[in-house]
Amino acid sequence: KNEVEQSPQNLTAQEGEFITINCSYSVGISALHWLQQHPGGGIVSLFMLSSGKKKHGRLIATINIQEKHSSLHITASHPRDSAVYICAVYPLETDKLIFGTGTRLQVFP
Amino acid sequence: EPEVTQTPSHQVTQMGQEVILRCVPISNHLYFYWYRQILGQKVEFLVSFYNNEISEKSEIFDDQFSVERPDGSNFTLKIRSTKLEDSAMYFCASYRTAEAFFGQGTRLTVV
Repeated sequence: KNEVEQSPQNLTAQEGEFITINCSYSVGISALHWLQQHPGGGIVSLFMLSSGKKKHGRLIATINIQEKHSSLHITASHPRDSAVYICAVYPLETDKLIFGTGTRLQVFP
Repeated sequence: EPEVTQTPSHQVTQMGQEVILRCVPISNHLYFYWYRQILGQKVEFLVSFYNNEISEKSEIFDDQFSVERPDGSNFTLKIRSTKLEDSAMYFCASYRTAEAFFGQGTRLTVV
């Protein structure tokens, strides 16, 4: 069983739609990272959070530590948001990241 | 803003050859990591490095792999005798206070 599960695996949206990507994990964590990976392969950090909610532009990330769940929301989606979004957690007993399998988002004009 | 840089961005090598992947972490970071992503799969941990020694390694990180910090700034991953299954994207990360900063990756293709 994967320690970090993401849903959906693939997501298609029309420009302007509100997007939600979910991440559930089974281990105790100190923090969670949302990352973005573009087709070229590079990874960009979007958020690191350990409680509550963070907002950056059209992106919002929330986490519920008790429920072991986090969500990434994109408001007013745009074709340039098309990428793979990856959830990764920092387990309590180690400082290596455990990654989810990613959610592939395609936003069409 | 400081960033982690990796070179080369893409390397093609013959099976059995040695490759060295290079990373320049952010200068005041103390913890360094290599991760790998095989095409179509999730990113997976290879090795962590702290205080000039390996602090943790995965099952993937066998005797064919080694890491070092030769000059206090570069952080390298060496694969001694590459196999086809070593083809992947390799990411270097450096840590400040438990937040990882990633390089743009090196795409290794073994032919």
